[in-house]
Amino acid sequence: QKEVEQNSGPLSVPEGAIASLNCTYSDRGSQSFFWYRQYSGKSPELIMFIYSNGDKEDGRFTAQLNKASQYVSLLIRDSQPSDSATYLCAVGGGTSYGKLTFGQGTILTVHP
Amino acid sequence: DTGVSQNPRHKITKRGQNVTFRCDPISEHNRLYWYRQTLGQGPEFLTYFQNEAQLEKSRLLSDRFSAERPKGSFSTLEIQRTEQGDSAMYLCAGGNTGELFFGEGSRLTVL
Repeated sequence: QKEVEQNSGPLSVPEGAIASLNCTYSDRGSQSFFWYRQYSGKSPELIMFIYSNGDKEDGRFTAQLNKASQYVSLLIRDSQPSDSATYLCAVGGGTSYGKLTFGQGTILTVHP
Repeated sequence: DTGVSQNPRHKITKRGQNVTFRCDPISEHNRLYWYRQTLGQGPEFLTYFQNEAQLEKSRLLSDRFSAERPKGSFSTLEIQRTEQGDSAMYLCAGGNTGELFFGEGSRLTVL
């Protein structure tokens, strides 16, 4: 079983729609949760992080965390073609913060 | 631009050769991480430093791999006797908390 698993893609949404990206993790001791965006040929770019249960909003992005269900999601509202990228979920824990376990990524395409 | 720079950006080498990658983080980052990413996969943790101390190494890091961070500044990752399976993007990241800021990566192709 993969430690961090993301919903299989690719995901295609029309411009202006809400894109929903999901991630589950197996280690109940995980304490920190991140979403990275990676454009083709580029390195991952941090877009959201969340440490506590509930929702965290930043502009068009909302991260949701449910530790009981070991589930984290990312919602992108008013999706734009520039949001087309691979989205990576990453999970960390304990004192080795920064030692992250990444999912395999979900490719998102936003079409005009 | 995260301010983390990596060199070289691309390296093509023949199997059996040694290669070295360099990472220059920004001065504010006391932790420095190395990850490896292959096509279609997320990055995998290799090792990390706090200042000059190497605090953890992944089991992925075989004896052919060695990393250093002298004086807690730049870091190098050396791969000896490269194998075709070493072909990947090698990513360096800096950070002080859990949030990582990646450099542009060094892509290795082993022929």
